[in-house]
Amino acid sequence: ETGVTQTPRHLVMGMTNKKSLKCEQHLGHNAMYWYKQSAKKPLELMFVYNFKEQTENNSVPSRFSPECPNSSHLFLHLHTLQPEDSALYLCASSQEDRGLYNEQFFGPGTRLTVL
Amino acid sequence: KQEVTQIPAALSVPEGENLVLNCSFTDSAIYNLQWFRQDPGKGLTSLLLIQSSQREQTSGRLNASLDKSSGRSTLYIAASQPGDSATYLCAVRTYKYIFGTGTRLKVLA
Repeated sequence: ETGVTQTPRHLVMGMTNKKSLKCEQHLGHNAMYWYKQSAKKPLELMFVYNFKEQTENNSVPSRFSPECPNSSHLFLHLHTLQPEDSALYLCASSQEDRGLYNEQFFGPGTRLTVL
Repeated sequence: KQEVTQIPAALSVPEGENLVLNCSFTDSAIYNLQWFRQDPGKGLTSLLLIQSSQREQTSGRLNASLDKSSGRSTLYIAASQPGDSATYLCAVRTYKYIFGTGTRLKVLA
């Protein structure tokens, strides 16, 4: 247990569906991240939130829409996805202090399959 | 542009062997480097974090070193066990984390 939980753990959706992934961290951290992990590719950073403000959008298509209502929760809203979006989506959190960069803690991931 | 490479991509060793995993990066201007372990279909477990001012970190049978000037880090695993079988990832922190593609380790009983 890393202190970061993700739901659901598995999701199968059609290209016309709308679904949401949820991440919650119980570590008191102030930064949260969404990553995409595809087969045989490095983890790709998608979004970063510091103190609930989005500070990074790594050229992610608009069919992925993040939401961070507070420092403990992070959502990824999905709509009109493509089969190539099938991947493991990982959430992470860290404590970002001025001048000190701390380790990231990851959740177990959501395995997404787009049919 | 920062690039992170891990060699070898896969490794099989007999139980009890000491082994070294390698991570190299192209831009030495990093804040820290973190080693992770990932079991199949699971999330990442943090193993060791080395800040840019440090040369090494140790945790149990694991020792990670960092040489920023040469753009290299190594993860040393002593007395390997079948439970160490997993994919090992390194990530460097610049203004964001950049990950390598990992080394898939199998320790044979």
